[in-house]
Amino acid sequence: DSGVTQTPKHLITATGQRVTLRCSPRSGDLSVYWYQQSLDQGLQFLIQYYNGEERAKGNILERFSAQQFPDLHSELNLSSLELGDSALYFCASSGQGEYNEQFFGPGTRLTVL
Amino acid sequence: LAKTTQPISMDSYEGQEVNITCSHNNIATNDYITWYQQFPSQGPRFIIQGYKTKVTNEVASLFIPADRKSSTLSLPRVSLSDTAVYYCLLGPPNNFNKFYFGSGTKLNVKP
Repeated sequence: DSGVTQTPKHLITATGQRVTLRCSPRSGDLSVYWYQQSLDQGLQFLIQYYNGEERAKGNILERFSAQQFPDLHSELNLSSLELGDSALYFCASSGQGEYNEQFFGPGTRLTVL
Repeated sequence: LAKTTQPISMDSYEGQEVNITCSHNNIATNDYITWYQQFPSQGPRFIIQGYKTKVTNEVASLFIPADRKSSTLSLPRVSLSDTAVYYCLLGPPNNFNKFYFGSGTKLNVKP
């Protein structure tokens, strides 16, 4: 158990809809990262937040947005969903450890029908 | 953003030592090399990190030559449970703000 929690575990929705994925980082971690992993694909970095502020952006679509709240949990909002958005979405957090490594949550599997 | 090149896949047998090499010709002076392991439908897990020469922990060893243009993850005596995708990443440890995981190396351990 990495200490990072993600909800929901599975999500099935239709094209055009909007969903929100939630992530709670490890206790004390200020950084939260979001990644997308499509079937048999590598991990694509989407966005990073640090203590409530956006720190870095990766390959995140304009239809996607995220935020980190004062209690440090984060939400990833996906709107106008398309079939190609079906993927595993991982959240990770990092703190001030020796290696500054990222700890990944179990992921949310999104299926768009 | 410095990128890495790894073999797409590797096969091995239980009990063998496996070496996975990562090429990173454009590594920056302040970049560390970090390896992650990912099992199907799970998030990646940190394995090991190093800057130069050799690093060893209870799971693996990491060999980095003097020019740092490549690195080798060594897994001693692999078992079936080591079947996973292994990713090599670069970045300064105090500012891993853009992780490039790439496609990784899919290691298949056979009985």
